[in-house]
Amino acid sequence: QSMLTQPPSVSGAPGQRVTISCTGSSSNIGAGYEVHWYQQLPGSAPKLLVYGNINRPSGVPDRFSGSKSGTSASLAITGLQADDEADYYCQSYDNSLSGSCVFGTGTKVTVL
Amino acid sequence: QVQLQESGPGLVKPSETLSLTCSVSNGSVSGFYWSWIRQPPGKALEWIGYIYYSGSTKYNASLQNRVTISVDTSKNQLSLKLRSVTAADTAVYYCARRRPYDGSNYYRAGYMDVWGKGTTVTVSS
Repeated sequence: QSMLTQPPSVSGAPGQRVTISCTGSSSNIGAGYEVHWYQQLPGSAPKLLVYGNINRPSGVPDRFSGSKSGTSASLAITGLQADDEADYYCQSYDNSLSGSCVFGTGTKVTVL
Repeated sequence: QVQLQESGPGLVKPSETLSLTCSVSNGSVSGFYWSWIRQPPGKALEWIGYIYYSGSTKYNASLQNRVTISVDTSKNQLSLKLRSVTAADTAVYYCARRRPYDGSNYYRAGYMDVWGKGTTVTVSS
């Protein structure tokens, strides 16, 4: 089971701001490990959206921003657009026995 | 821009071995880490493991007893073998390039900056 918990779904109207939370624990986000975010459009492979908590790869609009505090991280999407409708996953490192790389449970963003 | 392409049988029988290949084009496997990730139907992403081009590996503890990841630098490919499969191994399997560094910072988890399109594997008799 995933050690990073995300809300199953969030929704917003075009132009609005939505945030997606990624809640971890003292063995992953709370231990200081970085968080990365991916966008998965329907029927497509995931795409890197944010890495190292706050950094955007070249080509990713600044409407997407990441943050991290304590045992949680968040992805904010401002100026929501129809083509932002997708699944979003956080990813981090976990130092427990069960392994290293861990993904979040995933969040479906719906544009109303 | 480096591109990744997964390939292999789309149907595997229970108890048999799942074998996939990831071909790297417009770039080299050398100098990089490479990951395998899977996604069961309607479910979240699950990290399987990664390999450095030199051959060192790290696996998900829950799959460690059944999985082997290897790299062939001469063919510019990486491979995944998953033994004794069951229906629970039915998923889309992705290969991805793992980046633990961005040039100035080290990331313990590493992030996956390039992904293949994925290949669907069904385990069924």
